[in-house]
Amino acid sequence: QVQLQQWGAGLLKPSETLSLTCAVHGGSFSGYYWSWIRQPPGKGLEWIGEINHVGSTNQNPSLKSRVSVLVDTSKNQVSLKLSSVTAADTAVYFCARMADYVSGRHYFDSWGQGTLVTVSS
Amino acid sequence: AIQLTQSPSSLSASVGDRVTITCRASQAISTALAWYQQKPGKPPKLLIYDASSLESGVPSRFSGSGSETDFTLTISSLQPEDSAAYYCQHFNSYPLTFGGGTQVEIK
Repeated sequence: QVQLQQWGAGLLKPSETLSLTCAVHGGSFSGYYWSWIRQPPGKGLEWIGEINHVGSTNQNPSLKSRVSVLVDTSKNQVSLKLSSVTAADTAVYFCARMADYVSGRHYFDSWGQGTLVTVSS
Repeated sequence: AIQLTQSPSSLSASVGDRVTITCRASQAISTALAWYQQKPGKPPKLLIYDASSLESGVPSRFSGSGSETDFTLTISSLQPEDSAAYYCQHFNSYPLTFGGGTQVEIK
């Protein structure tokens, strides 16, 4: 049973860079794409971007200029960096496993616990 | 980007009621749609994929239907533990997007 454990700084000032990491325990790491999704308090979900074990990425155009999604296959970890944050980036950030990229099953069958990131001066 | 519009945004129903949530896509997406349930402080949980396929371990009172632009999630007999927010998500193309959510409350 795969488990996704995530962590990172929870309080940032405007213009700083958000940095989160998600460690994958159990199951296959290389056989999947790993996504980041965020949810502002009391609001809906927004897909940010994804990466696989060889570093192939897809990103949401709305955030692409500020987003970097990275992979460390030696540790079975993926990371998210979001630069120049503002209050609008305040959200719970989730990492999630895509069910099956090759077959087109681009939905999410396992999720991390979520990390609240607050941007405030 | 494909937009997903869910309705209603919230509903209140009694235990045992049949509940239906709709999700409308801004363009045809075949059956590339998933449904999630989210309880407070928790990540979303996959319920339905490919518009109508039930994820393993999900109670059979949950069902999905639809294709192209119009989709529904049905709870055949609402239970107290079904109080949650429900979201649809398309996976027809990038960027992946979610509907705005439907909050289900128990009367």
